[in-house]
Amino acid sequence: DTEVTQTPKHLVMGMTNKKSLKCEQHMGHRAMYWYKQKAKKPPELMFVYSYEKLSINESVPSRFSPECPNSSLLNLHLHALQPEDSALYLCASSHQSQRISYNEQFFGPGTRLTVL
Amino acid sequence: QKEVEQNSGPLSVPEGAIASLNCTYSDRGSQSFFWYRQYSGKSPELIMFIYSNGDKEDGRFTAQLNKASQYVSLLIRDSQPSDSATYLCAVTDRDDKIIFGKGTRLHILP
Repeated sequence: DTEVTQTPKHLVMGMTNKKSLKCEQHMGHRAMYWYKQKAKKPPELMFVYSYEKLSINESVPSRFSPECPNSSLLNLHLHALQPEDSALYLCASSHQSQRISYNEQFFGPGTRLTVL
Repeated sequence: QKEVEQNSGPLSVPEGAIASLNCTYSDRGSQSFFWYRQYSGKSPELIMFIYSNGDKEDGRFTAQLNKASQYVSLLIRDSQPSDSATYLCAVTDRDDKIIFGKGTRLHILP
């Protein structure tokens, strides 16, 4: 299995809603990532989990809350979002190894989020 | 401030010709270098990965890395209309943090 899967594919939510994005991989990767991508912009790193521990938080607002229940799963809990948070949310995973040849990040298909 | 620079394009190349995409990076400690292809509305797809100086070939794609010049390029031979996409150059640092360039839009002319 060489895939990163994400659900849902599309999500429309109001500013008072609580929702969650889910990401799963079964490649044995020990690093997982959340990115946000706006139209015609590169992906922006939000969070990195390494061995199920949060290792990088790129000063993301607290209305985004990541969770890594186990080495295969990564969630992003959303609460009280703003319309400007509308974007494509991408999950990625990679090996976590001293051998740099294992550093490729593989992206899931993304969740297209619209905040009304 | 670690930076990855790419020409935004669009780069227009006739079908069957060689497309040449370039990228420079600022951090000399960068270890791994990637090229991702992204179609509009889709997620980035890894097409090439290189970490040693020199060339790496995979099918119609060749990545070239020159660490002394802090330069990485991607050549696409026999360009096809399906190669039309945005190509993102990405670089990882010692903390495994990936930094993306803004991407180059490539348009293959039929």
